[in-house]
Amino acid sequence: KQEVTQIPAALSVPEGENLVLNCSFTDSAIYNLQWFRQDPGKGLTSLLLIQSSQREQTSGRLNASLDKSSGRSTLYIAASQPGDSATYLCAVSGSGSRLTFGEGTQLTVNP
Amino acid sequence: EAQVTQNPRYLITVTGKKLTVTCSQNMNHEYMSWYRQDPGLGLRQIYYSMNVEVTDKGDVPEGYKVSRKEKRNFPLILESPSPNQTSLYFCASSSPGLAGGEYFGPGTRLLVL
Repeated sequence: KQEVTQIPAALSVPEGENLVLNCSFTDSAIYNLQWFRQDPGKGLTSLLLIQSSQREQTSGRLNASLDKSSGRSTLYIAASQPGDSATYLCAVSGSGSRLTFGEGTQLTVNP
Repeated sequence: EAQVTQNPRYLITVTGKKLTVTCSQNMNHEYMSWYRQDPGLGLRQIYYSMNVEVTDKGDVPEGYKVSRKEKRNFPLILESPSPNQTSLYFCASSSPGLAGGEYFGPGTRLLVL
């Protein structure tokens, strides 16, 4: 059974810092990996999708990498802003369109 | 605009009173899923559907039913809700193989008294 772990569970940084969120998964047989953002009490917003054949994806200040063989992904956020404060979720897809989620990293960016 | 819609967004009910949460997507996606999100347990899949009339259990299907009579709709049915089904529910859809990623609805917050 696939298990996804995100470290750290919570992170507080001053505005302007670059930061890295980590995601690891136990079964490397994945179709893709997706990073989501969730604001309190809200739905999930997809940030980046990395196909299993890719090694990284970039969108603005966000860069996600994937090392399938070692079961790891990182989400790099450059020049963090208070508006980046949210919970970041990592999810991997397996057979049958099933997504397995990590429990998330709660990020707070202080002005 | 591509979207997944859920109704209602908020619902308070009592134990045993049947309810249905509707989900609809306008992207012609084959795959649709339901998830529940609970503190300390994260997001867990309840049921999924790979196409019309094809549904299968996810990780936590007990106490729930689904149906997929049309491609765009995937309602979640609680025949006899119980307090342990109090949760935040998300519907999602995607194309085969999740090539385009999974799209999530805004969520339905359910309280069962």
